[in-house]
Amino acid sequence: DIVLTQSPLSLPVTLGQSASFSCNSTQSLVLNGGNTYLAWFHQRPGQSPRRLIYMVSHRDSGVPDRFRGSGSDTDFSMEIIGVEADDLGTYYCMQGTHWPYSFGQGTKLELK
Amino acid sequence: DVQVAESGGGLVQPGRSLRLSCTTSGFNFADYDMSWARQAPGKGLDWVGFTRGKPYGGTIHYAASVRGRFFISRDDAKSIVYLQMNSLQIEDTGVYYCAQGGAFDRWGQGTMVTVSS
Repeated sequence: DIVLTQSPLSLPVTLGQSASFSCNSTQSLVLNGGNTYLAWFHQRPGQSPRRLIYMVSHRDSGVPDRFRGSGSDTDFSMEIIGVEADDLGTYYCMQGTHWPYSFGQGTKLELK
Repeated sequence: DVQVAESGGGLVQPGRSLRLSCTTSGFNFADYDMSWARQAPGKGLDWVGFTRGKPYGGTIHYAASVRGRFFISRDDAKSIVYLQMNSLQIEDTGVYYCAQGGAFDRWGQGTMVTVSS
């Protein structure tokens, strides 16, 4: 099974700074047809997760362009340019290329 | 507007069964894949399973931890997907989420399942 490893587990930031999240896979996430199914989610305490990015770099509707996903093969990242208070919470990556699908363990974005 | 809402959670004894429902609206349900995930208290997200939409044959996949105990089904006429959970174990405790799409496009609010004697 695919294991996604996220780092760091905790990311203290100052509002206005940028934040970068890493997600590494134990196998390539490129599907036969060439697509890569890697998504990023944000969860605030007590709330349901919300998808931000799908297929590595495509932002969901309503997601500001401060959120940028990138990567390929086994190494992926997401960056927030200018962290705002609403961005605090936990970020998860998820792969949808290989069965069973799987989530990373999460990175908690918190105030420094 | 897409709506996804889970129901059916509660307190259940180990070894017993529970069925969760996920009621949806605002999209052509039959054409969509539908997913389940869970989250133990204070822990991360755990992928549970997935049913493909009609265009893809309605196939179903499960996480190893629930395969043979949990069963996903769907009623395309009612736009509802179900999660039948049998032989529940204490480690199945958590919030269960339903979502539109195999890539969890839209999530419900979740329903809490507590397995305890």
